[in-house]
Amino acid sequence: QSALTQPRSVSGSPGQSVTISCTGTSSDVGGYNYVSWYQQHPGKAPKLMIYDVSKRPSGVPDRFSGSKSGNTASLTISGLQAEDEADYYCCSYAGSYTPHVVFGGGTKLTVL
Amino acid sequence: EVQLVQSGAEVKKPGESLKISCKGSGYSFTSYWIGWVRQMPGKGLEWMGIIYPGDSDTRYSPSFQGQVTISADKSISTAYLQWSSLKASDTAMYYCVRRPYSSSWYYPYWGQGTLVTVSS
Repeated sequence: QSALTQPRSVSGSPGQSVTISCTGTSSDVGGYNYVSWYQQHPGKAPKLMIYDVSKRPSGVPDRFSGSKSGNTASLTISGLQAEDEADYYCCSYAGSYTPHVVFGGGTKLTVL
Repeated sequence: EVQLVQSGAEVKKPGESLKISCKGSGYSFTSYWIGWVRQMPGKGLEWMGIIYPGDSDTRYSPSFQGQVTISADKSISTAYLQWSSLKASDTAMYYCVRRPYSSSWYYPYWGQGTLVTVSS
């Protein structure tokens, strides 16, 4: 099972919106509505930002939203803030055979 | 409150053995799968495998099968990740993770990470 494909980096200015894509296959992203997104600041553990494609955990700002079309999921961050600068990882359920879960390679978001 | 607390950083030599731990609290430890995720220096996240402490059912990613051993001691609510002979390429941060319930496939709960450094 290969890792999901994410852009290495994206950037945006404060107040702007950015979208991070996550491309998989019909065996993972396209086959299930179990895509999640994680934010990781340097030296910290990842933090769940989106689950089940588009649901936000309690406490995550509504500036963060998720969607999916076919084999590609997307994370959109609107109204960029300096504290959004971090690495972002997508993750998808990949079926009942292991690995049950695959991650993307990660995207570095830079707030200009 | 669900908490996963991992053991501290380790520095080991190639060929040595190692067992790191993840102690769960704030929930019924035997009722939820615990997983392990690797993050090599400057790299992304990799799902290694999971264990169900209730019956020790264990599943490994093919990439890690035979390279590590996942186990759990339900009497002390602790999961383990073990190596019998470390390699330099095992140098990484290792996180334990838990899903909110068995039919969900996302990880709101993460340990703080255990940094393993393997160097001669």
